[in-house]
Amino acid sequence: QQPVQSPQAVILREGEDAVINCSSSKALYSVHWYRQKHGEAPVFLMILLKGGEQKGHEKISASFNEKKQQSSLYLTASQLSYSGTYFCGTEGDAGNMLTFGGGTRLMVKP
Amino acid sequence: DAGVIQSPRHEVTEMGQEVTLRCKPISGHDYLFWYRQTMMRGLELLIYFNNNVPIDDSGMPEDRFSAKMPNASFSTLKIQPSEPRDSAVYFCASSAPREGDTQYFGPGTRLTVL
Repeated sequence: QQPVQSPQAVILREGEDAVINCSSSKALYSVHWYRQKHGEAPVFLMILLKGGEQKGHEKISASFNEKKQQSSLYLTASQLSYSGTYFCGTEGDAGNMLTFGGGTRLMVKP
Repeated sequence: DAGVIQSPRHEVTEMGQEVTLRCKPISGHDYLFWYRQTMMRGLELLIYFNNNVPIDDSGMPEDRFSAKMPNASFSTLKIQPSEPRDSAVYFCASSAPREGDTQYFGPGTRLTVL
């Protein structure tokens, strides 16, 4: 089943923070986060494996709560370049097949 | 590495015509995925291969769709006959377990069926 992302869209001013959530109805092995800019392919941001670890990439970090079957992506001090649609992809077990959420459209304004 | 390569980048065809999309995965990657993206349905997995063997094709919408991977460096997705509702962006992606199953996407093929 497709994971549920929230919010569907968010508008920020440069420098503001945002949180994007991804929830699944089934147990997860991993969560992958991607960003897609308009007219381009999705680009990998990070992967989180079960175990509740948290990862970071510059001012973008993520957490994975295995028990709650959800992951959150944190964008701190947003930049214009952060604009795009963020997708979470979930993996039920180590089988390489991802199911993507519906996406969260993020727009950062000056 | 050049990344995942897809061709053509854009395809415009008429209803009923055969369409063939092509993909070259990243060298050394064991897995290849075909996705379709539309505004209405989002990003959908159509089929994926492991070591050139189709593993799961449950996402292929109809018998009009078929995919092959004759060798480790080439895959095709064919639609015959094409219909207007097939209009979408089709992405190919590849991955390798040693890279944490990260999927690298190609630039996509934008298909328009008139």
